[in-house]
Amino acid sequence: GAGVSQSPSNKVTEKGKDVELRCDPISGHTALYWYRQRLGQGLEFLIYFQGNSAPDKSGLPSDRFSAERTGESVSTLTIQRTQQEDSAVYLCASSLRWDSGNQPQHFGDGTRLSIL
Amino acid sequence: KQEVTQIPAALSVPEGENLVLNCSFTDSAIYNLQWFRQDPGKGLTSLLLIQSSQREQTSGRLNASLDKSSGRSTLYIAASQPGDSATYLCASNNYGQNFVFGPGTRLSVLP
Repeated sequence: GAGVSQSPSNKVTEKGKDVELRCDPISGHTALYWYRQRLGQGLEFLIYFQGNSAPDKSGLPSDRFSAERTGESVSTLTIQRTQQEDSAVYLCASSLRWDSGNQPQHFGDGTRLSIL
Repeated sequence: KQEVTQIPAALSVPEGENLVLNCSFTDSAIYNLQWFRQDPGKGLTSLLLIQSSQREQTSGRLNASLDKSSGRSTLYIAASQPGDSATYLCASNNYGQNFVFGPGTRLSVLP
């Protein structure tokens, strides 16, 4: 079956523009995570969705960042009024319910975002 | 708040050597610990997941151990190959928190 799919794979935009990143999780995976990875650095947690529960937004760095997910399907991460420090690879991961048998996360290849 | 560290930051070994990568975490109340590899320009590939009740997991040439009392996990790679060259990350999943990742160990296996 298909893995986690992210689009676009690369995005170059001017400072101040809004961008929307998309993640298609593995079918049947109820948990979905967004992470940011700056060049040469580790992964920063951004937001977590679990089924129809309220998302955990504790990792979002500012109110310019938001994410949505409809049910257990596609998620979009939106960055408004982009800044140069937003340049990074944005990774999405999905898993079965985190509390049901220690399910591993499966990652997409990420979206490489460059802000000029 | 959980903090995860990994040493060494980088490692270069000749092909065929056995090697150990280290992961340390500050909060031992973990639900599980997962090891990943990341190839340049790619996402993360899950290698092994150790549940809190387990002490080790094995997959092929890989063996991961977990010692919650000391806050440590190790990833052992036997008979390393050039194809093992990648960055290896560990991540802890704590109760009530999300996954916390270490900074990774960049491994180069020289032919």
